[in-house]
Amino acid sequence: ELKVEQNPLFLSMQEGKNYTIYCNYSTTSDRLYWYRQDPGKSLESLFVLLSNGAVKQEGRLMASLDTKARLSTLHITAAVHDLSATYFCAVGRADMRFGAGTRLTVKP
Amino acid sequence: DTEVTQTPKHLVMGMTNKKSLKCEQHMGHRAMYWYKQKAKKPPELMFVYSYEKLSINESVPSRFSPECPNSSLLNLHLHALQPEDSALYLCASSQGGGRTLQETQYFGPGTRLLVL
Repeated sequence: ELKVEQNPLFLSMQEGKNYTIYCNYSTTSDRLYWYRQDPGKSLESLFVLLSNGAVKQEGRLMASLDTKARLSTLHITAAVHDLSATYFCAVGRADMRFGAGTRLTVKP
Repeated sequence: DTEVTQTPKHLVMGMTNKKSLKCEQHMGHRAMYWYKQKAKKPPELMFVYSYEKLSINESVPSRFSPECPNSSLLNLHLHALQPEDSALYLCASSQGGGRTLQETQYFGPGTRLLVL
């Protein structure tokens, strides 16, 4: 059974600092997703990573994928308050499985 | 337009009620999904319809009954629910149910369900 683990589960950052969220998964998959969820809201797609070594960037967020290590990272550069949200990684096709989520708070 | 709409936004029902949740998309997607999300937890897959046929049922209790009248609409019929079924119910759609390499699931705003 596919298992997806994220860490840390909680992350409190100061504005302007950098940090990385990690996502490990237990079985081979040809795609990995990152989603963002604001409190009380739905999920917003951030990235789809398809191949080993894939790197995608959008603003202050950069995601990468190492399929051999079954590891994806979401790197946050110079955090700002607007990035405060819960970030989920997810693995799979139609039967997508989510990690537990990382609750990110960016403080001034 | 990458919008998935869901109605109602909020629903309160008793354990003996019958109600339905509705989901609609006009992106031409051929796969639609129901997820359940409890507070501070990740979404959990319930059902997948691919090309209007039920392709995945994640051992969901029969008090939840999905229906896909056409490729744009997805319903979730609720009957004799329990208080522990209270959650945010999310609908999503994607191009082809995982068959397309680049495809992404787009989520609706959800229906917040409270069972009394």
